[in-house]
Amino acid sequence: DQQVKQNSPSLSVQEGRISILNCDYTNSMFDYFLWYKKYPAEGPTFLISISSIKDKNEDGRFTVFLNKSAKHLSLHIVPSQPGDSAVYFCAASDGTPLVFGKGTRLSVIA
Amino acid sequence: SQTIHQWPATLVQPVGSPLSLECTVEGTSNPNLYWYRQAAGRGLQLLFYSVGIGQISSEVPQNLSASRPQDRQFILSSKKLLLSDSGFYLCAWSVRVGNYGYTFGSGTRLTVV
Repeated sequence: DQQVKQNSPSLSVQEGRISILNCDYTNSMFDYFLWYKKYPAEGPTFLISISSIKDKNEDGRFTVFLNKSAKHLSLHIVPSQPGDSAVYFCAASDGTPLVFGKGTRLSVIA
Repeated sequence: SQTIHQWPATLVQPVGSPLSLECTVEGTSNPNLYWYRQAAGRGLQLLFYSVGIGQISSEVPQNLSASRPQDRQFILSSKKLLLSDSGFYLCAWSVRVGNYGYTFGSGTRLTVV
């Protein structure tokens, strides 16, 4: 039973446009959410997080939105750059170890 | 500053052979430590985590085991590898188990042949 779902395995976006990566979760006890970025043959690196008491968190080009009623969060990257091409993982926690989704491969086309 | 080291980077092992992957953390005390695996077509699956020396929690029953012989050392082992053990193994550490970001090592690509 997958508690964190990233239903889009891949996404292609033109350079300079907005990238929107989506994530759904089923566990209503999750109260902390994170996004990680992963390049091939490397470990994931932390991008941005959000607590369930907020609905938006922004850090430079990256913004995470949380819709608790829909159990949905999204990561917006504006503007998208070729260096953003990577696999993005959504993760969630209810105080126990992080649960990750399957990831979405983002390709930013120049 | 804290750093996490994981080795080897790549490993090719025959079916039935043993496995030992090592992870060490520097620059912090009493870290929470984790082993995750990324298999083909799957996300990051938590295998084991440890909140202290000798304390191991297993998340997925399988052919693997973990040990924490020292505060900042975490070892993933197998007595006999299976083909299904192939994958990308990641060690991570954090200050708290939940509601906190983890820092990952660079990973080990294991191919069982």
